[in-house]
Amino acid sequence: KNQVEQSPQSLIILEGKNCTLQCNYTVSPFSNLRWYKQDTGRGPVSLTIMTFSENTKSNGRYTATLDADTKQSSLHITASQLSDSASYICVVSGDRNSGNTPLVFGKGTRLSVIA
Amino acid sequence: ETGVTQTPRHLVMGMTNKKSLKCEQHLGHNAMYWYKQSAKKPLELMFVYNFKEQTENNSVPSRFSPECPNSSHLFLHLHTLQPEDSALYLCASSQGDSSGANVLTFGAGSRLTVL
Repeated sequence: KNQVEQSPQSLIILEGKNCTLQCNYTVSPFSNLRWYKQDTGRGPVSLTIMTFSENTKSNGRYTATLDADTKQSSLHITASQLSDSASYICVVSGDRNSGNTPLVFGKGTRLSVIA
Repeated sequence: ETGVTQTPRHLVMGMTNKKSLKCEQHLGHNAMYWYKQSAKKPLELMFVYNFKEQTENNSVPSRFSPECPNSSHLFLHLHTLQPEDSALYLCASSQGDSSGANVLTFGAGSRLTVL
């Protein structure tokens, strides 16, 4: 069964600290992996999209890594800010040509950055 | 704003009411989606429209009825809903389908409460 598991479920960190969010998936064949940020009361916004051949991708203070062999991804946030408080959702795209479900969503990690 | 506008942002309705959710995208995308987001659950795909044609109906109960009059507008008609249908309903659009590198752009969502 195609699944995306995220950990931790929730996380509280002090402003200025770094943190790492984890995403493990079983979707196969794999097409790409996406991280979305969802602020409270808003829709998800794309942070990064990574294909099979990409190991690391950065977007400002956000750095995503992908290990397609172990089917794991992480999202590292550097020097956290209060505005980073949000849910972070990992989404894996299967290979539609193989009859796979195109997008499988994780439940998200709820990050709270406190002063 | 992301370019995808949803109205109303909040809706409270009784189980015998009929209401509609509206979504409009200003991005020139050809695919539009309805997702349901419940607490502590992954996003659930409900319907997909590509060039106004419904391409996916993810076993959604008939009390939810989508309508896509053109590539820029998408409606979700609601009738005789149940309390468990209370959730955040997200509209999204993409250029091409959601596979490959086509990124979904989400609206802010319509928060539905069924009494």
